[in-house]
Amino acid sequence: EVQLVESGGGLVQPGGPLRLSCVGSGFTFSSYAMNWVRQAPGKGLEWVAAISSLSDGTYYAGSVKGRFTISRDNSKSTLYLQTNSLRDEDTAKYYCVIARVPGGYFYYGMAVWGQGTTVTVAS
Amino acid sequence: QSALTQPASVSGSPGQSITISCTGTSSDVGGYNYVFWYQQHPGKAPELMIYDVKNRPSGVSNRFSGSKSGNTASLTISGLQAEDEADYFCSSYTVSNTVIFGGGTKLTVL
Repeated sequence: EVQLVESGGGLVQPGGPLRLSCVGSGFTFSSYAMNWVRQAPGKGLEWVAAISSLSDGTYYAGSVKGRFTISRDNSKSTLYLQTNSLRDEDTAKYYCVIARVPGGYFYYGMAVWGQGTTVTVAS
Repeated sequence: QSALTQPASVSGSPGQSITISCTGTSSDVGGYNYVFWYQQHPGKAPELMIYDVKNRPSGVSNRFSGSKSGNTASLTISGLQAEDEADYFCSSYTVSNTVIFGGGTKLTVL
């Protein structure tokens, strides 16, 4: 069974950093591009960032570019999101998502979602 | 870049059909066939229902169908069932090499 388990969320002060992690199992992690998508409380979905299967391409939403960094360690089947200079508007549940097609681009659709980890930015 | 435009809510009775629209621009929905629809039940993670405008992943009911005309994509659900009550989000690839979502539509089955 394909599983994604996110961790690392919590309460952080404005301006602070937080590192999110996502461990994948039940599939060949290194074959898939991966995404982070977030959802503020009671709001819609917002794509945050993506990374190619071999880390040779990273992509960011304008709202996080320069503050967030996506990375992965295929030997550990783990995806990361380093978040810096956090703002109130970054408060959300962050989902780790597998791209739909092995060897394909991140924008080929989001096939499997984790249950999310919640980030709360507040003083 | 602004979110794709979806109606905030739609409703229908069991057995009826409903359509949810998703309007973008030529830089996203109108320019690519990478348009997707996701279903999200309360407290749950989203689920992919339609990919590449009109294709259903394995396991998704054939009551769900997608289409596109110009800058507007549509999701149609036929034979509405109580279990279809959920939030629905469209998304698209963009000319900026990013992904954009719609604001979401709450479907109520009366």
